[in-house]
Amino acid sequence: QKEVEQNSGPLSVPEGAIASLNCTYSDRGSQSFFWYRQYSGKSPELIMSIYSNGDKEDGRFTAQLNKASQYVSLLIRDSQPSDSATYLCAVNPKFGNQFYFGTGTSLTVIP
Amino acid sequence: NAGVTQTPKFQVLKTGQSMTLQCAQDMNHNSMYWYRQDPGMGLRLIYYSASEGTTDKGEVPNGYNVSRLNKREFSLRLESAAPSQTSVYFCASLVHGGGELFFGEGSRLTVL
Repeated sequence: QKEVEQNSGPLSVPEGAIASLNCTYSDRGSQSFFWYRQYSGKSPELIMSIYSNGDKEDGRFTAQLNKASQYVSLLIRDSQPSDSATYLCAVNPKFGNQFYFGTGTSLTVIP
Repeated sequence: NAGVTQTPKFQVLKTGQSMTLQCAQDMNHNSMYWYRQDPGMGLRLIYYSASEGTTDKGEVPNGYNVSRLNKREFSLRLESAAPSQTSVYFCASLVHGGGELFFGEGSRLTVL
């Protein structure tokens, strides 16, 4: 079983809609969780981090964490064509130095 | 402020050749990482260095060696390149006490 699982998509949403991206992880003791965005041909960049159960909002982005279900999600409200990218979920087990990444979900926002 | 700098950005090798990917960061970060990214496989950790003088294997270390030359520099060496090592390689460094990885622009390696 992979450490971090994501639906690879592709996911398509119309402009202005809510995009929902999901991620599950296998290490129940994991402490910190991240969402990175990666445009085609570019390097990943951090958009959200979350450490506690519940929701964390930053602008149009909301990260949700449910440690009991070992589930992390990212909601993008009012999706824009510029949000079209691959979104990578990353997990840092027990504040160690290793970060495990999912395979990424490709999102396309249709104008 | 350059962040994380990788060289070279592109390289074509023949099977059996050797090469070193260089990475340097100017953010005074303790931890540095080498990942490879292949289609459908996501980012996979090759090696990491928690601090100057230490290195540890990640998920896919076979065929690679690393050197943490000093706090700024972390190099990845392919001693005898194989076509299976065709990939995009990313170097990253970690904010001390935090969770954000800063990535370099990537090095695209093709082994023929």
